[in-house]
Amino acid sequence: AQTVTQSQPEMSVQEAETVTLSCTYDTSENNYYLFWYKQPPSRQMILVIRQEAYKQQNATENRFSVNFQKAAKSFSLKISDSQLGDTAMYFCAFMKSDSNYQLIWGAGTKLIIKP
Amino acid sequence: EPEVTQTPSHQVTQMGQEVILRCVPISNHLYFYWYRQILGQKVEFLVSFYNNEISEKSEIFDDQFSVERPDGSNFTLKIRSTKLEDSAMYFCASSEDWVTETQYFGPGTRLLVL
Repeated sequence: AQTVTQSQPEMSVQEAETVTLSCTYDTSENNYYLFWYKQPPSRQMILVIRQEAYKQQNATENRFSVNFQKAAKSFSLKISDSQLGDTAMYFCAFMKSDSNYQLIWGAGTKLIIKP
Repeated sequence: EPEVTQTPSHQVTQMGQEVILRCVPISNHLYFYWYRQILGQKVEFLVSFYNNEISEKSEIFDDQFSVERPDGSNFTLKIRSTKLEDSAMYFCASSEDWVTETQYFGPGTRLLVL
C-alpha cells in the first residue's frame, strides 16, 4: 500500500523568504503522479503543482517549484518570495497511474507567512 | 473560473439519521469523487464515480454509504444511518477525464453527528 508522509506539522517564515515543505512517499509503483494541494483558511483545496513520475524535469508554477527525487521517493515543495496569501495547509498527495484516480494524502503542513 | 460547489457548508444531525451531501461538479468533468477528513486526521478517499457507476471505493465506504448522480449536474453522497464517527469534513472533487487526472475540490461540508 502507498503511504505519504509530511514530517513538518507546522512551519512559519517571514514574508518574502523562501520555504521548502517536505514530502516522502512509499510505493512499489513505477508510474504515478504527485500533487501539492493548498487549503487556505477558507477551506477549498486548490491544486498548487503536479508532477508525473516519468518526467525527470521538476515541475514549476511561478513561485512554486518541486524537487522530485524518484529514487529517494521525495517530493518537496519550494515556495519562493513567500506572500501572506500563501498561509495555508499544504497537502502532498500521491496517485497511481493505473488506479481509479484515488488520491492518497499526507497529513499536511500548516504554513504561516508572517508579515 | 468554473468551481466545484457543495451544499450545505455545515450539517448537524442526530445519530441514526440519514444525511445527503450535495455537490455540483465542474460541468464538463466526467469523474467524481468523495473524500473525507476527520478532524486532526488525513484526508481519506471514499469513492470514485464514472459513467453512472462506482469505479472504486475504499473500505470506509460500506453499505451505509451510497452515491448518486440524480441529474446532469448534481452528485450526492448519502449516509443512511449516521454514526458519531461519521463526523468529518466531506470533500467532493471532479476531474475532466482520465488523461488529466487533476482533481478539483469543492469547499467541503462539515458534518457533525450528535
